[in-house]
Amino acid sequence: QSALTQPPSASGSPGQSVTISCTGTSSDVGGYNYVSWYQQHPGKAPKLMIYEVSKRPSGVPDRFSGSKSGNTASLTVSGLQAEDEADYYCSSYAGSNNFGYVFGTGTKVTVL
Amino acid sequence: QVTLRESGPALVKPTQTLTLTCTFSGFSLSTSGMCVSWVRQPPGKALEWLALIDWDDDKYYSTSLKTRLTISKDTSKNQVVLTMTNMDPVDTATYYCARISDGDYQFDYWGQGTLVTVSS
Repeated sequence: QSALTQPPSASGSPGQSVTISCTGTSSDVGGYNYVSWYQQHPGKAPKLMIYEVSKRPSGVPDRFSGSKSGNTASLTVSGLQAEDEADYYCSSYAGSNNFGYVFGTGTKVTVL
Repeated sequence: QVTLRESGPALVKPTQTLTLTCTFSGFSLSTSGMCVSWVRQPPGKALEWLALIDWDDDKYYSTSLKTRLTISKDTSKNQVVLTMTNMDPVDTATYYCARISDGDYQFDYWGQGTLVTVSS
Protein backbone atom coordinates (compact mmCIF):
# COMPACT_ATOMS: atom_id res chain seq x y z
CA GLN A 1 0.00 0.00 0.00
CA SER A 2 1.59 3.28 -1.10
CA ALA A 3 1.40 6.41 1.03
CA LEU A 4 -1.10 9.07 0.07
CA THR A 5 0.51 12.08 -1.61
CA GLN A 6 0.48 15.45 0.13
CA PRO A 7 2.45 18.62 -0.66
CA PRO A 8 5.48 18.93 1.65
CA SER A 9 4.57 22.42 2.73
CA ALA A 10 1.89 25.10 2.73
CA SER A 11 1.79 28.54 4.25
CA GLY A 12 -0.38 31.55 4.83
CA SER A 13 -0.56 34.74 6.85
CA PRO A 14 -2.74 35.02 9.94
CA GLY A 15 -6.37 35.28 8.94
CA GLN A 16 -5.80 33.74 5.52
CA SER A 17 -6.81 30.27 4.35
CA VAL A 18 -4.65 27.34 3.37
CA THR A 19 -5.76 24.16 1.60
CA ILE A 20 -3.86 20.86 1.70
CA SER A 21 -4.48 18.11 -0.83
CA CYS A 22 -4.24 14.37 -0.26
CA THR A 23 -4.16 12.18 -3.35
CA GLY A 24 -4.69 8.45 -3.31
CA THR A 25 -6.30 5.87 -5.52
CA SER A 26 -9.68 4.28 -6.09
CA SER A 27 -8.63 1.61 -3.57
CA ASP A 28 -8.43 4.08 -0.71
CA VAL A 29 -9.42 7.76 -0.89
CA GLY A 30 -11.61 7.34 -3.93
CA GLY A 31 -13.23 4.15 -2.76
CA TYR A 32 -14.46 5.15 0.68
CA ASN A 33 -15.68 8.19 2.57
CA TYR A 34 -13.32 7.31 5.40
CA VAL A 35 -10.69 10.01 5.05
CA SER A 36 -9.45 11.60 8.25
CA TRP A 37 -7.00 14.37 9.01
CA TYR A 38 -4.57 14.69 11.91
CA GLN A 39 -2.67 17.67 13.30
CA GLN A 40 0.70 17.04 14.89
CA HIS A 41 2.74 19.61 16.76
CA PRO A 42 6.46 18.93 17.28
CA GLY A 43 7.09 16.20 19.81
CA LYS A 44 3.38 15.55 20.28
CA ALA A 45 0.99 12.79 19.30
CA PRO A 46 -1.33 13.31 16.32
CA LYS A 47 -4.73 14.83 17.02
CA LEU A 48 -7.87 14.00 15.06
CA MET A 49 -9.19 17.09 13.25
CA ILE A 50 -11.52 15.74 10.55
CA TYR A 51 -13.11 12.33 10.02
CA GLU A 52 -15.32 10.77 7.36
CA VAL A 53 -14.07 13.39 4.87
CA SER A 54 -15.76 16.42 6.39
CA LYS A 55 -16.92 15.80 9.97
CA ARG A 56 -15.34 17.61 12.90
CA PRO A 57 -14.92 16.00 16.33
CA SER A 58 -16.23 17.92 19.27
CA GLY A 59 -13.85 20.71 20.23
CA VAL A 60 -12.24 21.19 16.81
CA PRO A 61 -12.80 24.74 15.55
CA ASP A 62 -15.05 25.17 12.53
CA ARG A 63 -12.12 26.89 10.83
CA PHE A 64 -11.12 23.36 9.86
CA SER A 65 -13.07 21.78 7.01
CA GLY A 66 -12.65 18.81 4.72
CA SER A 67 -13.84 17.70 1.32
CA LYS A 68 -13.20 15.08 -1.32
CA SER A 69 -13.40 14.80 -5.08
CA GLY A 70 -12.54 11.54 -6.76
CA ASN A 71 -9.23 10.24 -5.46
CA THR A 72 -8.23 13.53 -3.82
CA ALA A 73 -9.26 14.79 -0.41
CA SER A 74 -8.58 18.28 0.91
CA LEU A 75 -8.25 19.99 4.25
CA THR A 76 -8.86 23.73 4.46
CA VAL A 77 -7.86 25.84 7.41
CA SER A 78 -9.58 29.21 7.32
CA GLY A 79 -8.69 32.22 9.43
CA LEU A 80 -5.21 30.89 10.09
CA GLN A 81 -3.93 31.31 13.62
CA ALA A 82 -0.44 30.92 15.00
CA GLU A 83 -1.39 27.71 16.80
CA ASP A 84 -2.37 26.11 13.48
CA GLU A 85 1.30 25.87 12.56
CA ALA A 86 1.92 22.11 12.61
CA ASP A 87 2.27 19.02 10.47
CA TYR A 88 -0.93 17.65 8.99
CA TYR A 89 -1.50 14.07 7.86
CA CYS A 90 -4.38 12.58 5.96
CA SER A 91 -5.40 8.96 6.35
CA SER A 92 -7.75 6.68 4.51
CA TYR A 93 -9.29 3.28 5.09
CA ALA A 94 -7.99 0.93 2.41
CA GLY A 95 -10.71 -1.69 2.22
CA SER A 96 -11.51 -5.15 3.47
CA ASN A 97 -9.74 -7.11 0.74
CA ASN A 98 -6.49 -5.51 1.75
CA PHE A 99 -7.68 -4.30 5.09
CA GLY A 100 -5.75 -1.54 6.58
CA TYR A 101 -5.09 2.11 6.66
CA VAL A 102 -2.78 4.35 4.73
CA PHE A 103 -1.39 7.71 5.82
CA GLY A 104 -0.31 10.65 3.75
CA THR A 105 3.22 11.92 3.34
CA GLY A 106 2.49 14.89 5.58
CA THR A 107 2.32 18.66 5.06
CA LYS A 108 4.07 21.26 7.16
CA VAL A 109 1.82 24.30 7.55
CA THR A 110 3.63 27.52 8.35
CA VAL A 111 1.85 30.64 9.58
CA LEU A 112 3.85 33.55 8.19
CA GLN B 1 -11.62 9.70 30.20
CA VAL B 2 -9.85 7.73 27.49
CA THR B 3 -6.09 7.33 27.80
CA LEU B 4 -3.53 5.12 26.09
CA ARG B 5 0.10 4.67 27.06
CA GLU B 6 2.84 2.82 25.21
CA SER B 7 5.65 1.06 27.00
CA GLY B 8 8.64 -0.98 25.93
CA PRO B 9 12.40 -0.85 25.46
CA ALA B 10 13.97 2.38 24.27
CA LEU B 11 16.85 0.52 22.63
CA VAL B 12 16.96 -2.79 20.81
CA LYS B 13 19.75 -4.43 18.85
CA PRO B 14 19.49 -5.39 15.19
CA THR B 15 17.87 -8.82 14.62
CA GLN B 16 16.20 -8.71 18.05
CA THR B 17 12.44 -8.87 18.60
CA LEU B 18 10.65 -5.76 19.84
CA THR B 19 7.72 -6.11 22.23
CA LEU B 20 5.56 -3.06 22.90
CA THR B 21 2.60 -2.82 25.24
CA CYS B 22 -0.30 -0.39 24.97
CA THR B 23 -2.12 0.03 28.29
CA PHE B 24 -5.40 1.85 28.02
CA SER B 25 -8.24 3.07 30.19
CA GLY B 26 -11.65 4.62 29.72
CA PHE B 27 -12.94 1.93 27.38
CA SER B 28 -13.05 -1.84 27.02
CA LEU B 29 -11.71 -3.77 24.07
CA SER B 30 -14.48 -6.28 24.63
CA THR B 31 -17.06 -3.68 23.58
CA SER B 32 -18.41 -4.16 20.06
CA GLY B 33 -16.82 -1.75 17.61
CA MET B 34 -13.69 -1.06 19.62
CA CYS B 35 -10.26 -1.43 18.03
CA VAL B 36 -6.68 -0.59 18.96
CA SER B 37 -4.07 0.06 16.32
CA TRP B 38 -0.32 0.66 16.18
CA VAL B 39 1.21 3.44 14.11
CA ARG B 40 4.87 4.40 13.88
CA GLN B 41 6.79 7.50 12.82
CA PRO B 42 10.52 7.50 12.02
CA PRO B 43 12.28 10.70 13.12
CA GLY B 44 11.31 13.53 10.80
CA LYS B 45 9.17 11.27 8.63
CA ALA B 46 5.53 10.42 8.07
CA LEU B 47 3.14 8.24 10.01
CA GLU B 48 2.90 4.57 9.00
CA TRP B 49 0.06 2.26 9.96
CA LEU B 50 1.23 -1.12 11.32
CA ALA B 51 -1.54 -3.27 12.76
CA LEU B 52 -5.00 -3.35 14.28
CA ILE B 53 -6.92 -5.67 16.60
CA ASP B 54 -10.64 -5.46 17.17
CA TRP B 55 -13.07 -6.40 19.90
CA ASP B 56 -13.71 -9.75 18.22
CA ASP B 57 -9.97 -10.57 18.21
CA ASP B 58 -9.70 -10.09 14.45
CA LYS B 59 -6.25 -8.90 13.47
CA TYR B 60 -5.04 -6.90 10.49
CA TYR B 61 -1.52 -6.04 9.42
CA SER B 62 0.34 -3.76 7.08
CA THR B 63 1.00 -5.83 3.98
CA SER B 64 4.62 -4.72 3.86
CA LEU B 65 5.33 -5.76 7.46
CA LYS B 66 2.87 -8.57 8.13
CA THR B 67 5.50 -11.30 8.20
CA ARG B 68 7.23 -9.53 11.11
CA LEU B 69 4.27 -8.34 13.17
CA THR B 70 2.01 -9.97 15.73
CA ILE B 71 -0.72 -8.11 17.61
CA SER B 72 -2.60 -9.50 20.58
CA LYS B 73 -4.81 -8.31 23.40
CA ASP B 74 -5.41 -9.04 27.06
CA THR B 75 -8.87 -7.68 27.73
CA SER B 76 -8.67 -8.30 31.46
CA LYS B 77 -5.56 -6.13 31.71
CA ASN B 78 -6.72 -3.54 29.16
CA GLN B 79 -3.58 -4.10 27.15
CA VAL B 80 -2.63 -4.63 23.52
CA VAL B 81 0.79 -6.04 22.67
CA LEU B 82 2.70 -5.65 19.42
CA THR B 83 5.74 -7.73 18.59
CA MET B 84 8.02 -7.01 15.66
CA THR B 85 10.72 -9.49 14.76
CA ASN B 86 14.11 -9.04 13.13
CA MET B 87 14.48 -5.38 14.03
CA ASP B 88 16.66 -3.21 11.79
CA PRO B 89 17.97 0.35 12.19
CA VAL B 90 15.31 1.52 9.69
CA ASP B 91 12.70 0.50 12.27
CA THR B 92 13.90 3.30 14.55
CA ALA B 93 10.75 5.31 15.20
CA THR B 94 8.25 6.59 17.68
CA TYR B 95 5.58 3.93 18.07
CA TYR B 96 2.03 5.04 18.89
CA CYS B 97 -1.05 3.11 19.84
CA ALA B 98 -4.41 4.61 18.95
CA ARG B 99 -8.08 3.78 19.39
CA ILE B 100 -10.87 3.35 16.88
CA SER B 101 -14.32 3.27 18.45
CA ASP B 102 -17.92 2.56 17.56
CA GLY B 103 -17.02 0.72 14.39
CA ASP B 104 -15.68 3.94 12.90
CA TYR B 105 -12.63 4.39 10.70
CA GLN B 106 -10.64 7.15 12.40
CA PHE B 107 -8.12 7.14 15.23
CA ASP B 108 -9.81 9.26 17.88
CA TYR B 109 -7.41 8.87 20.81
CA TRP B 110 -3.65 8.40 20.71
CA GLY B 111 -0.98 7.54 23.23
CA GLN B 112 1.98 9.87 23.68
CA GLY B 113 4.26 7.49 21.79
CA THR B 114 7.45 5.69 22.71
CA LEU B 115 10.74 6.13 20.85
CA VAL B 116 12.47 2.91 19.92
CA THR B 117 16.03 3.08 18.63
CA VAL B 118 17.56 0.12 16.84
CA SER B 119 21.32 0.12 17.17
CA SER B 120 24.11 -2.22 18.07
